[in-house]
Amino acid sequence: KQEVTQIPAALSVPEGENLVLNCSFTDSAIYNLQWFRQDPGKGLTSLLLIQSSQREQTSGRLNASLDKSSGRSTLYIAASQPGDSATYLCAVSPHNTDKLIFGTGTRLQVFP
Amino acid sequence: NAGVTQTPKFQVLKTGQSMTLQCAQDMNHEYMSWYRQDPGMGLRLIHYSVGAGITDQGEVPNGYNVSRSTTEDFPLRLLSAAPSQTSVYFCASSYGVSPLHFGNGTRLTVT
Repeated sequence: KQEVTQIPAALSVPEGENLVLNCSFTDSAIYNLQWFRQDPGKGLTSLLLIQSSQREQTSGRLNASLDKSSGRSTLYIAASQPGDSATYLCAVSPHNTDKLIFGTGTRLQVFP
Repeated sequence: NAGVTQTPKFQVLKTGQSMTLQCAQDMNHEYMSWYRQDPGMGLRLIHYSVGAGITDQGEVPNGYNVSRSTTEDFPLRLLSAAPSQTSVYFCASSYGVSPLHFGNGTRLTVT
């Protein structure tokens, strides 16, 4: 059974720091991996989607990498800002399905 | 463009009552799904649909029913509410391999 783990569960950093959020999964047979952002009381917003054949995706200050063989993905946030404060979730889609299996998230706080 | 719209935003039920959570999307997405989010457990898939007239079970389907009569709508029915169904419910949709679009959720409390 696919399991997704995110470490750390919470992170507090000063503004301007570059930071890395980690996501690991137990079964490398995935279709894609997505990173989401969730603000308190809100739904999830998709940040980056990496297909199984890709190694990384970039959007602005965000860069996500995927290493299927080791079952790992990282989300790199450059020059963090207070507006980046949110919970970040990763999710994997098992091969040839649209279902997503989520990690429990990393709660990020960026203080001025 | 409204995206994915969920109603109601909040709901309190007594044990044994039934209700329907509404979900509508205006993006002509084929795929729609329902998740529940509980503290410390992440989001878990309840039911999903790959098109009108087609539904299937996810990881935690017991106590819930769905139907997909149109592309736009995917309601979730709680047949007989139980305290274990207290949760935040999210509806999501996508097209092909596009990222998943989520609604803002329905916070349900069962007393």
